[in-house]
Amino acid sequence: DSGVTQTPKHLITATGQRVTLRCSPRSGDLSVYWYQQSLDQGLQFLIQYYNGEERAKGNILERFSAQQFPDLHSELNLSSLELGDSALYFCASSFRVNTEAFFGQGTRLTVV
Amino acid sequence: SQQGEEDPQALSIQEGENATMNCSYKTSINNLQWYRQNSGRGLVHLILIRSNEREKHSGRLRVTLDTSKKSSSLLITASRAADTASYFCATGRPGGTSYGKLTFGQGTILTVHP
Repeated sequence: DSGVTQTPKHLITATGQRVTLRCSPRSGDLSVYWYQQSLDQGLQFLIQYYNGEERAKGNILERFSAQQFPDLHSELNLSSLELGDSALYFCASSFRVNTEAFFGQGTRLTVV
Repeated sequence: SQQGEEDPQALSIQEGENATMNCSYKTSINNLQWYRQNSGRGLVHLILIRSNEREKHSGRLRVTLDTSKKSSSLLITASRAADTASYFCATGRPGGTSYGKLTFGQGTILTVHP
């Protein structure tokens, strides 16, 4: 158990819908990362927060947004969902930037 | 785009043999990390090597880093069937707008036969 909790574990939704994925980092970790993993694109970096502020951004679509709250948990919002958004979404946390990251078990999103 | 490129894409060996995986990257880094992923599950951190280090050990794992060649290798000695997994390298950026961005390669699928 990495100490990073992601909910829900599985999500099935229809195209055009909006979903929210939640991540609770390890106790004491200030940095949260979001990744999307699909068979064709591999593990894609989406966005990183550090102590509530956005620190780095990857190839995150405009339809996606994220935030980190004062209690350090983070949410990833995916809207106007398309079939191609079906993937595993991972959250990871680390104490500081550029230290080892601990991954949650992921949320498997299926868009039908 | 991926920062790290692992080689080979797949590796099949017998228990007891050593497994070597390589990673090449393109830009300057603060650190390079190796992770393991069992099928469909979360990634597990194995080892982190900083840009000013050349070699690091952890149990049966040995990682080398050559910043002049922008490459790293992961050696797993005396492999076990339980080592069967995908292995990823990830690079941490040193500064600027991408400071802390952790970018993963496509991974090497390791299969260890009993």
